[in-house]
Amino acid sequence: DAKTTQPPSMDCAEGRAANLPCNHSTISGNEYVYWYRQIHSQGPQYIIHGLKNNETNEMASLIITEDRKSSTLILPHATLRDTAVYYCIVRVINFGNEKLTFGTGTRLTIIP
Amino acid sequence: GAVVSQHPSRVICKSGTSVKIECRSLDFQATTMFWYRQFPKQSLMLMATSNEGSKATYEQGVEKDKFLINHASLTLSTLTVTSAHPEDSSFYICSARDIMEGPYEQYFGPGTRLTVT
Repeated sequence: DAKTTQPPSMDCAEGRAANLPCNHSTISGNEYVYWYRQIHSQGPQYIIHGLKNNETNEMASLIITEDRKSSTLILPHATLRDTAVYYCIVRVINFGNEKLTFGTGTRLTIIP
Repeated sequence: GAVVSQHPSRVICKSGTSVKIECRSLDFQATTMFWYRQFPKQSLMLMATSNEGSKATYEQGVEKDKFLINHASLTLSTLTVTSAHPEDSSFYICSARDIMEGPYEQYFGPGTRLTVT
């Protein structure tokens, strides 16, 4: 799976949009971009994923650049409960290989 | 949504004893479960991939005789830390893949914090 690069930490004011960047310049054409988050002392939680097009669900939006070498996770109205470590992962969807390789992630702190 | 549970959530054991951690998929069937380990302030590291009815596949550097994995049913996998030592103290997290939901998502358990004294 391709390697990703994320800033180690970010702050965001409560109620504002949190924009978390991820670089994946070596991504292959068949690799998806996934985002998970991990709140302190809990298991990771799936947020969103995409291949080429921008995606939106009830939790967040995912913007993928046209060349697919980077993406941004957007939490539109951040709350204190969004404080967590956010992991950007690129992976192939393959019935025989489902490994998730976690990088160091971005520690997002929502400030009241 | 798919729910994965782990038991116990916390365990303290003495050095040299063995500890078993259970991972269950509560509302779906999981042919594949994964075990991760996370040390403080570090990321998750995959330990092994467990397929129902067959032997687990361990990642490089993980001792299969120390970390015994059993996946006897489509809803239960267990990780046994044998002859535990203080350096085995960590946060152990399992995940399960829902075979019916594409594209083969993994759902994570809440984790088990193991402290070896």
